[in-house]
Amino acid sequence: SQQGEEDPQALSIQEGENATMNCSYKTSINNLQWYRQNSGRGLVHLILIRSNEREKHSGRLRVTLDTSKKSSSLLITASRAADTASYFCATVPYNQGGKLIFGQGTELSVKP
Amino acid sequence: DGGITQSPKYLFRKEGQNVTLSCEQNLNHDAMYWYRQDPGQGLRLIYYSQIVNDFQKGDIAEGYSVSREKKESFPLTVTSAQKNPTAFYLCASRPQPGFVSDTQYFGPGTRLTVL
Repeated sequence: SQQGEEDPQALSIQEGENATMNCSYKTSINNLQWYRQNSGRGLVHLILIRSNEREKHSGRLRVTLDTSKKSSSLLITASRAADTASYFCATVPYNQGGKLIFGQGTELSVKP
Repeated sequence: DGGITQSPKYLFRKEGQNVTLSCEQNLNHDAMYWYRQDPGQGLRLIYYSQIVNDFQKGDIAEGYSVSREKKESFPLTVTSAQKNPTAFYLCASRPQPGFVSDTQYFGPGTRLTVL
């Protein structure tokens, strides 16, 4: 069963705006990861945040994690048309051999 | 080039036929995974293997089979018992736990269509 719920399912913004995607999960986790998928392609890892971390940055990406609320958010600042893709959160539950459990994804469209 | 390759990119199958999807990696990773993705959906785990000659069922293993005879190869067979096999199939690999990252590295995927 899928652990993650993502919100919104689809997001459409103009270039230069910020995009925020949210992810909620159900069980205790080791870490949470965000992946990006261009249409019809494989997934590309963006960022990993461990359960003892609250915020992490990578370039224009900012991820937060609130383990008390079992939620995470991904912020993409100053978006570009090339950011158009689907974004998935994936959790790594404790003691499950490193399995990733994916949310259903947010489809981001950035209009030039 | 290091990475994961999947072949073929597109695959068509008639109902009642078994078909095998290839996944090869030269990253020297111990663990390998197979996921299924349906339109507008996230990925669901079919099978995974943490070491050669060993594999475990994921959440939706029925109608699928795998083997792991070599570290670099993890083929997936979609059998005729799989009721709705049309989907996008993704293979991934990662180093074993204990490494810095639990990141999985994905192949480009195989799109299977049953005619």
